[in-house]
Amino acid sequence: QSVLTQPPSVSAAPGQKVTISCSGSSSNIGNNFVSWYQQLPGTAPKLLLYDNNKRPSGIPDRFSGSKSGTSATLGITGLQTGDEADYYCGTWDSSLSTEGVFGGGTKLTVL
Amino acid sequence: EVQLVQSGAEVKKPGESLRISCKASGYSFATYWIGWVRQMPGKGLEWMGIIYPGDSDTRYSPSFQGQVTISADKSIRTAYLQWSSLKASDSAMYYCARTIRDRPSDGFDVWGQGTTVTVSS
Repeated sequence: QSVLTQPPSVSAAPGQKVTISCSGSSSNIGNNFVSWYQQLPGTAPKLLLYDNNKRPSGIPDRFSGSKSGTSATLGITGLQTGDEADYYCGTWDSSLSTEGVFGGGTKLTVL
Repeated sequence: EVQLVQSGAEVKKPGESLRISCKASGYSFATYWIGWVRQMPGKGLEWMGIIYPGDSDTRYSPSFQGQVTISADKSIRTAYLQWSSLKASDSAMYYCARTIRDRPSDGFDVWGQGTTVTVSS
């Protein structure tokens, strides 16, 4: 199983808001920045947020991020059918073996 | 435009060797880390390892240490992921990705299109 824990799936209606959680520990989320990625079906992952809450150029402000302690949250407002995708959190783990880690992914369904 | 272009799909037999590539353009190749990420069919993303082309400093996930080799050639702006003896369980999509800044702990802002590796007898 993944070092970072995400819910397997979330769903909401178009126009609504959804949040996706990412839970870790002091060796990863607790002491490192979190990034969020969106993977549309059949495509490569795309960076949505980095440094916990910063949006790369071109990412709408409907996407937001936050971090508290050893957990991070991705928020998406004004849901659109085009947001239906898999979402992954990622960070660095500074335990015995330093490495990057991803959450298991969350499938967002826009009903 | 910053871009990572990966080599094409591969079909191999168990025990064969393989090297796939990731060619960078549009930025200073030597000053950003390049990582490799595995995605098995229907599964999530797995961080495999990362290399700094400037000095070839390489870090591996314990899960992949000894199973693959990551390398880079600055002169042709290309990173590689290679196997010496493939197994059926290596069948997956493999992505290369560039870090946002010059730290291995940074997230990945640019991704290659992915290379599908199929290992079957």
